This record gives sequence, structure tokens and C-alpha cells, in this order.
Amino acid sequence: AAGVIQSPRHLIKEKRETATLKCYPIPRHDTVYWYQQGPGQDPQFLISFYEKMQSDKGSIPDRFSAQQFSDYHSELNMSSLELGDSALYFCASSYDRERVRGTDTQYFGPGTRLTVL
Amino acid sequence: DAKTTQPPSMDCAEGRAANLPCNHSTISGNEYVYWYRQIHSQGPQYIIHGLKNNETNEMASLIITEDRKSSTLILPHATLRDTAVYYCIVRVGWGDDKIIFGKGTRLHILP
Repeated sequence: AAGVIQSPRHLIKEKRETATLKCYPIPRHDTVYWYQQGPGQDPQFLISFYEKMQSDKGSIPDRFSAQQFSDYHSELNMSSLELGDSALYFCASSYDRERVRGTDTQYFGPGTRLTVL
Repeated sequence: DAKTTQPPSMDCAEGRAANLPCNHSTISGNEYVYWYRQIHSQGPQYIIHGLKNNETNEMASLIITEDRKSSTLILPHATLRDTAVYYCIVRVGWGDDKIIFGKGTRLHILP
């Protein structure tokens, strides 16, 4: 079965540079979520989109922005990178909540490992 | 904050059943119990979820107590590849976007 695709899988940047992470959801999934996992930490929710509109927001820095496009893929843009931004970034997707009764299950991608030097 | 409590770590012998407990005493009537696992630095993997009834799929079984205040994830025949951090999560699901990950249980499968 098709899974969530994330690119790139690894990214190395210098401080103050910018980075763009991409997420391609499972086909027919229209909701995308972004999570950040620092070294030795548990994943933390950043932001989510449903039908190209932001639906929820977590502890996402103002330096980060994200959007979902017409084909439902999403991009996380990170500017003025700091050493503390080094982390694994996971994208997850789920199916149209309005048609599914009860609950929607999120499926995670393999992640992008961002290293800021 | 996470709404669940799990033991920080557990050991299980290979080939035996692994029983991972989770307490969620403040669970609401419309909240589901979800289980995910994360094998070292990989993306969290969905295992199973349930509302009231016990559930079983090809990966595991989920036993939810009648009062819904606790549950147990059962891996029937643990293998070395089941070594991972297991997260028990309570969420509404529909209309509730984010997953709040707690500390989870680090399961070690012993050869």
C-alpha cells in the first residue's frame, strides 16, 4: 500500500539559512500534520491542514510556515535556522474526516532529518 | 499534556506475548484509545485503536477495561523487530487533529 512520502530524507543546513521540507500524503488523504522530534524527545505537534486550510496549530515557531497545495501535498518552510531546529520532522496524513464516522487514523511518513550546523 | 500513563520500560522474551499496559483514567466517552510504536528514528507506526470493545488486527490485540480507564496492548508472539517505543494515546479523532505523544513504553525484546 502507498505510504506517506517525505523529501528530502536528510538535510544539512547552516545557521540562518532556510529549508523546505515536503510531504506527499497517502492518495485520497486530504489532511496533513507536521511533527517535530528533537534528540531524545517525543514527537511534538507543529501544525495541520485540512482541505488546504490550516486546521490546528501547535508550538510552531514564527520562523516556520507551512501550506497545503491543491494536490494535497504540503511544504514546511523554515527560515533563520537555529541549532535547536536540528530534529526529525515527520509528516502524517489522514482521510477526509467528513466521510469517515468516528475517528480518523494518522499515518506517518519516514521523516526528514534536519541538521543545522 | 498526555492523558495517559505508561511504564517507562518493559522486557519480554522473544516468542512470548508482550502485554503493554496503559492508564487513561480521565478518558471521555467520545475518546478513542490509539496505539503507535516508533522503531528507532523511524516514523511512528499505527498499530491499533478502539473505543469500547476489544479489537484485534494482524499486528496486535487491544483489550479495554469495561470502565475504559485502562487498556492493554498485546503483541501475541514478540520478535526482535518489535523492539520499539510504544505510545498509548487518547484522542477524539474526528475533529481533533493533533496527536499528543507522552513518554511511551520502551519495549525490549530479549533473545
